[in-house]
Amino acid sequence: AQSVTQLGSHVSVSEGALVLLRCNYSSSVPPYLFWYVQYPNQGLQLLLKYTSAATLVKGINGFEAEFKKSETSFHLTKPSAHMSDAAEYFCAVSDNSGYALNFGKGTSLLVTP
Amino acid sequence: DGGITQSPKYLFRKEGQNVTLSCEQNLNHDAMYWYRQDPGQGLRLIYYSQIVNDFQKGDIAEGYSVSREKKESFPLTVTSAQKNPTAFYLCASTLMPGLMNTEAFFGQGTRLTVV
Repeated sequence: AQSVTQLGSHVSVSEGALVLLRCNYSSSVPPYLFWYVQYPNQGLQLLLKYTSAATLVKGINGFEAEFKKSETSFHLTKPSAHMSDAAEYFCAVSDNSGYALNFGKGTSLLVTP
Repeated sequence: DGGITQSPKYLFRKEGQNVTLSCEQNLNHDAMYWYRQDPGQGLRLIYYSQIVNDFQKGDIAEGYSVSREKKESFPLTVTSAQKNPTAFYLCASTLMPGLMNTEAFFGQGTRLTVV
């Protein structure tokens, strides 16, 4: 079954520092991978998605992720953190049926001044 | 503006009571989904519907029921059989059945608390 594992339930960075949120996937077929962001008491918003067109995917708000098949990873990065980036981030993969998403447990990003 | 509307935002349920969470979308999407979110557990799929009058169980369907009588609406009922219903519930939709490479749009969620 397709699944994702997010390493680190909480990540803290200083404003202006590099953001790195880790996601590893397990899939028996080429996966479709997604990163979503959730602000407190809100729904989820798509940051970016990997659909095999390009291994480096650029998303909204300056985020990007690189698909590495050899490492089964899809880590999310941003060169310079902003206070407004503080939120919960979820990595997700399409399940076997292709009809639903399997989510990781989430990583809470804290940005300090 | 197109989007997904969930109501109410906050809901309180007494022990043994059934409650219904509303989800309406005006995106003309075919597929709709219900997820449950608990702290530290991510999102888990309850039910999904690919088309009107059809729906399938997700990973944690026990104690829940749904209907899909209209394309725009996918209400979720939390029954008294659900022993631990306190959670944040999220409704989502996609343009077509099959999430292989399409974006899922989410509502703002309903926070259900048992009192």
